[in-house]
Amino acid sequence: GNSVTQMEGPVTLSEEAFLTINCTYTATGYPSLFWYVQYPGEGLQLLLKATKADDKGSNKGFEATYRKETTSFHLEKGSVQVSDSAVYFCALSLSTGGGNKLTFGTGTQLKVEL
Amino acid sequence: GAVVSQHPSWVICKSGTSVKIECRSLDFQATTMFWYRQFPKQSLMLMATSNEGSKATYEQGVEKDKFLINHASLTLSTLTVTSAHPEDSSFYICSARNPPGTQYFGPGTRLTVL
Repeated sequence: GNSVTQMEGPVTLSEEAFLTINCTYTATGYPSLFWYVQYPGEGLQLLLKATKADDKGSNKGFEATYRKETTSFHLEKGSVQVSDSAVYFCALSLSTGGGNKLTFGTGTQLKVEL
Repeated sequence: GAVVSQHPSWVICKSGTSVKIECRSLDFQATTMFWYRQFPKQSLMLMATSNEGSKATYEQGVEKDKFLINHASLTLSTLTVTSAHPEDSSFYICSARNPPGTQYFGPGTRLTVL
């Protein structure tokens, strides 16, 4: 079956630090990969996505590259801000738009301090 | 952007009673909505897919008689937890799929069964 594994949190960083949140997956078929972000009290929001190998998704300074050889989709940001504090979920879907069944990782809480 | 609301945001009920949770797409029509359940420090687990005007499709292991789903209009789906028990206490999240095929998530409903 399909599954997503991501690093446990919480991850605590100082402002302007470099961020990496690891995500690996197993899937039957050729999935699309997503990162969602959940700010306190809000619903999950799509942060970025990649639909095929070597694609790089990017948004708001975050980026992730679809690595088929390592079955990974690690999230990175060069300089985090306090406003990036949230829970980040890695997910996969067998539809390119994520409009069908999504399989999520457990989520990683990020705390950014001044 | 597309907004999905849930009501109530939190609810406490007695064991044996039923609880209804509403999911609304506020600015788009959604022929398909999804219901997820999230346990503490665990990933979102898809419970069922709700299609407007037809029966919901439940994931394996989800009791359809316990978690009743109704999708009577293009902007509203409801989840009713019948004869609730403490083990049903959880965070329930819905999402709605817009016509281009992107899922938008609600903020979630915290259910506590005493």
